[in-house]
Amino acid sequence: EIVMTQSPATLSVSPGERATLSCRASQSVSSNLAWYQQKPGQAPRLLIYGASTRATGIPARFSGSGSGTEFTLTISSLQSEDFALYYCQQYNNWPPLYTFGQGTKLEIK
Amino acid sequence: QVQLVQSGAEVRRPGASVKVSCKASGYTFSGYYIHWVRQAPGQGLEWMGRINPNSGGTNYAQKFQDRVTMTRDTSITTAYMDLSSLTSDDTAVYYCARDPGSPFYAFDLWGQGTMVIVSS
Repeated sequence: EIVMTQSPATLSVSPGERATLSCRASQSVSSNLAWYQQKPGQAPRLLIYGASTRATGIPARFSGSGSGTEFTLTISSLQSEDFALYYCQQYNNWPPLYTFGQGTKLEIK
Repeated sequence: QVQLVQSGAEVRRPGASVKVSCKASGYTFSGYYIHWVRQAPGQGLEWMGRINPNSGGTNYAQKFQDRVTMTRDTSITTAYMDLSSLTSDDTAVYYCARDPGSPFYAFDLWGQGTMVIVSS
Protein backbone atom coordinates (compact mmCIF):
# COMPACT_ATOMS: atom_id res chain seq x y z
CA GLU A 1 0.00 0.00 0.00
CA ILE A 2 1.24 3.47 -0.90
CA VAL A 3 1.70 5.73 2.11
CA MET A 4 1.37 9.49 1.71
CA THR A 5 3.30 11.66 4.16
CA GLN A 6 2.61 15.37 4.45
CA SER A 7 4.89 17.92 6.03
CA PRO A 8 4.86 19.90 8.14
CA ALA A 9 1.92 18.85 10.30
CA THR A 10 1.31 22.53 11.11
CA LEU A 11 2.52 25.54 9.17
CA SER A 12 2.33 29.07 10.59
CA VAL A 13 2.43 31.81 7.98
CA SER A 14 1.45 35.48 7.95
CA PRO A 15 -1.23 36.78 5.58
CA GLY A 16 0.26 37.93 2.32
CA GLU A 17 3.21 35.58 2.57
CA ARG A 18 3.88 32.39 0.61
CA ALA A 19 3.04 28.95 1.96
CA THR A 20 4.67 25.75 0.76
CA LEU A 21 3.18 22.40 1.71
CA SER A 22 4.83 19.08 0.93
CA CYS A 23 3.53 15.60 0.21
CA ARG A 24 5.68 12.53 -0.27
CA ALA A 25 4.60 9.13 -1.60
CA SER A 26 6.22 5.90 -0.45
CA GLN A 27 6.48 4.86 -4.11
CA SER A 28 5.91 6.58 -7.41
CA VAL A 29 2.36 7.72 -8.14
CA SER A 30 3.33 9.40 -11.41
CA SER A 31 1.21 12.58 -11.58
CA ASN A 32 -1.87 11.01 -9.98
CA LEU A 33 -1.88 13.44 -7.09
CA ALA A 34 -4.59 15.79 -5.88
CA TRP A 35 -4.80 18.46 -3.20
CA TYR A 36 -7.84 19.39 -1.12
CA GLN A 37 -8.69 22.17 1.28
CA GLN A 38 -10.96 21.51 4.23
CA LYS A 39 -12.42 24.05 6.64
CA PRO A 40 -14.05 23.14 9.97
CA GLY A 41 -17.46 21.57 9.55
CA GLN A 42 -17.19 21.46 5.77
CA ALA A 43 -16.51 18.83 3.16
CA PRO A 44 -13.13 18.95 1.44
CA ARG A 45 -12.78 21.04 -1.72
CA LEU A 46 -10.68 19.97 -4.67
CA LEU A 47 -7.88 22.42 -5.43
CA ILE A 48 -5.44 20.60 -7.70
CA TYR A 49 -5.55 17.38 -9.71
CA GLY A 50 -3.00 15.70 -11.92
CA ALA A 51 -0.36 17.19 -9.59
CA SER A 52 -0.51 20.63 -11.20
CA THR A 53 -3.91 21.38 -12.77
CA ARG A 54 -6.15 23.76 -10.87
CA ALA A 55 -9.73 22.63 -10.45
CA THR A 56 -12.56 24.80 -11.72
CA GLY A 57 -12.86 28.07 -9.85
CA ILE A 58 -9.64 27.74 -7.88
CA PRO A 59 -7.67 31.02 -7.68
CA ALA A 60 -4.35 31.28 -9.48
CA ARG A 61 -2.51 31.81 -6.19
CA PHE A 62 -2.82 28.03 -5.67
CA SER A 63 -0.31 25.98 -7.63
CA GLY A 64 0.84 22.39 -7.55
CA SER A 65 4.05 20.79 -8.72
CA GLY A 66 5.97 17.55 -8.63
CA SER A 67 5.77 14.02 -9.96
CA GLY A 68 6.78 10.56 -8.87
CA THR A 69 7.15 10.73 -5.11
CA GLU A 70 7.60 14.42 -4.24
CA PHE A 71 4.84 16.99 -4.53
CA THR A 72 4.31 20.58 -3.43
CA LEU A 73 1.31 22.82 -3.01
CA THR A 74 2.18 26.51 -3.05
CA ILE A 75 -0.11 29.33 -2.06
CA SER A 76 1.58 32.45 -3.35
CA SER A 77 0.01 35.17 -1.20
CA LEU A 78 -2.07 33.94 1.67
CA GLN A 79 -5.55 35.32 2.12
CA SER A 80 -7.51 35.02 5.35
CA GLU A 81 -9.77 32.39 3.81
CA ASP A 82 -6.79 30.13 2.99
CA PHE A 83 -6.11 29.18 6.59
CA ALA A 84 -7.44 25.64 6.74
CA LEU A 85 -6.47 21.98 6.57
CA TYR A 86 -4.87 20.65 3.40
CA TYR A 87 -4.75 17.05 2.26
CA CYS A 88 -2.95 15.36 -0.58
CA GLN A 89 -4.43 12.24 -2.19
CA GLN A 90 -2.94 9.73 -4.61
CA TYR A 91 -4.56 7.37 -7.07
CA ASN A 92 -3.17 3.94 -7.84
CA ASN A 93 -4.33 2.33 -11.06
CA TRP A 94 -4.43 -1.32 -10.04
CA PRO A 95 -5.80 -2.35 -7.76
CA PRO A 96 -7.78 0.87 -7.65
CA LEU A 97 -6.72 2.56 -4.47
CA TYR A 98 -6.94 6.11 -3.25
CA THR A 99 -4.85 7.21 -0.29
CA PHE A 100 -4.82 10.49 1.61
CA GLY A 101 -2.01 12.10 3.49
CA GLN A 102 -2.57 12.90 7.15
CA GLY A 103 -3.01 16.60 6.46
CA THR A 104 -1.25 19.91 7.05
CA LYS A 105 -2.88 22.58 9.15
CA LEU A 106 -2.16 26.04 7.79
CA GLU A 107 -2.56 28.57 10.58
CA ILE A 108 -2.16 32.29 10.94
CA LYS A 109 1.17 33.42 12.32
CA GLN B 1 -27.75 22.53 -9.62
CA VAL B 2 -24.92 20.03 -9.55
CA GLN B 3 -24.88 18.45 -6.12
CA LEU B 4 -24.70 15.37 -3.95
CA VAL B 5 -27.13 15.29 -1.06
CA GLN B 6 -26.67 12.73 1.67
CA SER B 7 -29.06 11.24 4.18
CA GLY B 8 -29.20 12.43 7.74
CA ALA B 9 -27.26 11.54 10.85
CA GLU B 10 -27.53 8.04 12.28
CA VAL B 11 -26.98 6.49 15.70
CA ARG B 12 -26.31 2.76 15.93
CA ARG B 13 -25.44 0.20 18.56
CA PRO B 14 -22.20 -1.77 18.26
CA GLY B 15 -22.68 -4.76 15.99
CA ALA B 16 -25.41 -3.09 13.97
CA SER B 17 -25.32 -1.91 10.36
CA VAL B 18 -25.89 1.48 8.79
CA LYS B 19 -26.88 2.47 5.26
CA VAL B 20 -26.11 5.97 4.01
CA SER B 21 -27.54 7.37 0.80
CA CYS B 22 -26.15 9.91 -1.64
CA LYS B 23 -28.55 11.55 -4.10
CA ALA B 24 -26.94 13.01 -7.22
CA SER B 25 -28.51 15.76 -9.28
CA GLY B 26 -27.60 18.20 -12.02
CA TYR B 27 -25.27 15.90 -13.94
CA THR B 28 -25.21 12.53 -15.71
CA PHE B 29 -25.14 10.09 -12.82
CA SER B 30 -23.75 7.19 -14.84
CA GLY B 31 -20.79 9.20 -16.07
CA TYR B 32 -18.88 9.54 -12.79
CA TYR B 33 -17.65 7.16 -10.15
CA ILE B 34 -19.06 7.68 -6.67
CA HIS B 35 -16.61 7.21 -3.84
CA TRP B 36 -17.10 6.99 -0.09
CA VAL B 37 -14.64 8.68 2.26
CA ARG B 38 -14.89 8.87 6.01
CA GLN B 39 -13.43 11.14 8.66
CA ALA B 40 -13.35 10.21 12.33
CA PRO B 41 -13.62 13.11 14.80
CA GLY B 42 -10.45 15.20 14.67
CA GLN B 43 -8.84 12.80 12.21
CA GLY B 44 -7.92 12.75 8.54
CA LEU B 45 -9.68 11.42 5.46
CA GLU B 46 -9.96 7.70 4.79
CA TRP B 47 -10.99 6.22 1.43
CA MET B 48 -13.45 3.35 1.72
CA GLY B 49 -14.20 2.43 -1.87
CA ARG B 50 -15.99 3.38 -5.06
CA ILE B 51 -18.83 2.30 -7.31
CA ASN B 52 -19.24 2.72 -11.02
CA PRO B 53 -22.88 3.84 -11.34
CA ASN B 54 -22.97 2.70 -14.95
CA SER B 55 -21.97 -0.93 -14.38
CA GLY B 56 -22.47 -1.28 -10.64
CA GLY B 57 -18.90 -2.50 -10.35
CA THR B 58 -17.20 -1.79 -7.04
CA ASN B 59 -13.71 -1.54 -5.58
CA TYR B 60 -13.23 -1.52 -1.84
CA ALA B 61 -10.31 -0.62 0.39
CA GLN B 62 -8.92 -3.78 1.89
CA LYS B 63 -9.69 -2.55 5.40
CA PHE B 64 -13.42 -2.51 4.67
CA GLN B 65 -13.61 -5.40 2.20
CA ASP B 66 -15.50 -7.75 4.50
CA ARG B 67 -18.15 -5.40 5.81
CA VAL B 68 -18.91 -2.67 3.28
CA THR B 69 -21.32 -2.88 0.37
CA MET B 70 -21.77 -0.08 -2.15
CA THR B 71 -24.78 -0.10 -4.42
CA ARG B 72 -26.69 2.29 -6.61
CA ASP B 73 -30.17 2.85 -8.01
CA THR B 74 -29.86 4.55 -11.37
CA SER B 75 -33.61 5.18 -11.58
CA ILE B 76 -33.32 7.67 -8.72
CA THR B 77 -29.65 8.61 -9.24
CA THR B 78 -28.71 7.53 -5.75
CA ALA B 79 -25.72 5.68 -4.39
CA TYR B 80 -25.66 3.79 -1.11
CA MET B 81 -23.00 2.70 1.33
CA ASP B 82 -23.84 -0.09 3.77
CA LEU B 83 -21.40 -0.76 6.62
CA SER B 84 -21.96 -3.71 8.92
CA SER B 85 -20.57 -4.98 12.24
CA LEU B 86 -20.16 -1.46 13.53
CA THR B 87 -17.82 -0.60 16.39
CA SER B 88 -17.07 2.68 18.13
CA ASP B 89 -14.15 3.10 15.74
CA ASP B 90 -16.70 3.57 12.94
CA THR B 91 -17.97 6.78 14.51
CA ALA B 92 -17.22 9.30 11.79
CA VAL B 93 -18.57 11.64 9.16
CA TYR B 94 -19.14 9.70 5.95
CA TYR B 95 -18.86 11.56 2.67
CA CYS B 96 -19.79 10.57 -0.84
CA ALA B 97 -17.79 12.21 -3.60
CA ARG B 98 -17.82 12.28 -7.38
CA ASP B 99 -14.83 11.28 -9.50
CA PRO B 100 -14.77 12.11 -13.22
CA GLY B 101 -12.13 9.44 -13.82
CA SER B 102 -9.34 10.09 -16.28
CA PRO B 103 -7.50 12.44 -16.15
CA PHE B 104 -8.83 13.58 -12.79
CA TYR B 105 -8.78 10.56 -10.48
CA ALA B 106 -9.82 13.06 -7.83
CA PHE B 107 -13.02 14.08 -6.12
CA ASP B 108 -14.47 17.23 -7.63
CA LEU B 109 -17.86 17.23 -5.92
CA TRP B 110 -18.67 16.18 -2.37
CA GLY B 111 -21.80 15.54 -0.39
CA GLN B 112 -22.37 17.44 2.82
CA GLY B 113 -21.43 14.45 4.96
CA THR B 114 -23.42 12.11 7.19
CA MET B 115 -22.51 11.73 10.84
CA VAL B 116 -22.67 8.16 12.07
CA ILE B 117 -22.36 7.61 15.80
CA VAL B 118 -21.81 4.13 17.17
CA SER B 119 -22.53 3.94 20.85
CA SER B 120 -24.01 1.55 23.34
